[in-house]
Amino acid sequence: AQSVTQPDIHITVSEGASLELRCNYSYGATPYLFWYVQSPGQGLQLLLKYFSGDTLVQGIKGFEAEFKRSQSSFNLRKPSVHWSDAAEYFCAVGYYNQGGKLIFGQGTELSVKP
Amino acid sequence: NAGVMQNPRHLVRRRGQEARLRCSPMKGHSHVYWYRQLPEEGLKFMVYLQKENIIDESGMPKERFSAEFPKEGPSILRIQQVVRGDSAAYFCASSPSGTENTEAFFGQGTRLTVV
Repeated sequence: AQSVTQPDIHITVSEGASLELRCNYSYGATPYLFWYVQSPGQGLQLLLKYFSGDTLVQGIKGFEAEFKRSQSSFNLRKPSVHWSDAAEYFCAVGYYNQGGKLIFGQGTELSVKP
Repeated sequence: NAGVMQNPRHLVRRRGQEARLRCSPMKGHSHVYWYRQLPEEGLKFMVYLQKENIIDESGMPKERFSAEFPKEGPSILRIQQVVRGDSAAYFCASSPSGTENTEAFFGQGTRLTVV
């Protein structure tokens, strides 16, 4: 079965520190990969997406992610975290022949210490 | 260009009542997706619709839940005889096409509370 795993439910980092949020998917074919951010009580905002080509993808707000086929991973990174980055982050995958339907991971809640 | 509009933002229903959640996709988008987010969980796919067609309803509960996307007007997610376990945030997303690499834009969600 297709699935997405975000191993870290909650992460706390200090402001200014680097960040890496992990995402692994299970499926043999090449997926289409997304990272979304959700602030409390709000909807989802797309941070970045990978469809094909360069495996290092740049997104908004200084985020980037790298697709590693050998590890079935699409980890999200940011070199220096800001207090405003505190939110819930969701990794999602889409697959061939399933239209725009997405499968989401369970999310990682990010807290930022001053 | 307005984004995906969902209403109401908050909805309270008593057990046994009906809940109707509305979603107006972005202008030019003819594909709509509904997701449910239970407390402390990620989003779970429910249904994918095109105008007047249900494309994929593999995530819809077998009973009490239905969805439509008429030729005119918003998409509607309908929950009959609500129970406490239906309390969740329901998100709608829309996309301009149904291809796999299309980007889906999300609304702000409807938070349903069943009392």
